[in-house]
Amino acid sequence: GENVEQHPSTLSVQEGDSAVIKCTYSDSASNYFPWYKQELGKRPQLIIDIRSNVGEKKDQRIAVTLNKTAKHFSLHITETQPEDSAVYFCAASRAGGGNKLTFGTGTQLKVEL
Amino acid sequence: GAVVSQHPSWVICKSGTSVKIECRSLDFQATTMFWYRQFPKQSLMLMATSNEGSKATYEQGVEKDKFLINHASLTLSTLTVTSAHPEDSSFYICSARVNGYNEKLFFGSGTQLSVL
Repeated sequence: GENVEQHPSTLSVQEGDSAVIKCTYSDSASNYFPWYKQELGKRPQLIIDIRSNVGEKKDQRIAVTLNKTAKHFSLHITETQPEDSAVYFCAASRAGGGNKLTFGTGTQLKVEL
Repeated sequence: GAVVSQHPSWVICKSGTSVKIECRSLDFQATTMFWYRQFPKQSLMLMATSNEGSKATYEQGVEKDKFLINHASLTLSTLTVTSAHPEDSSFYICSARVNGYNEKLFFGSGTQLSVL
């Protein structure tokens, strides 16, 4: 089955700096890669996703890049703000696998003032 | 976006009792729903895939007789933790896939289960 690895497990940045979280996946058939933000005790919220037919997608301060050859994808947050502090999860799925999402281990992002 | 409602948000029960958790898609139909379990500071682990009108598909290592899933309509799936024990204490969260949009998942608000 699919295995998704995520790094780093914790990340501290100063307000205004950029944050980058990286994930790798094992199943070359995976074709959908969402990123979720989860605050303590709350539900995961989809913040951005990318499909395997594109290499990059951007939404305001958030961007995701995908390298299918290397099987890794990254989340980039620019101009970080304190409200960006949360746990971020990457995930992967493939259409033929019932669209089951396999999640990474999560990254605790802390944006310091 | 699509709204998924989950109840209860938290429950405390005695060891040996059963607990039912409901997951509803409020403004869309969901043939497929997923149940996850999340331990503190850990990732979401898929327990089972709930299919409307048919048996659920369980992930390896998840006891189907302990975690009963019923998906009787296109908007409701239930997870029953039978004969709960302290080790079942966890955050249970459901998600639903909008029919016709195969990829995006929307999550319920989760249920914190504490078994005494």
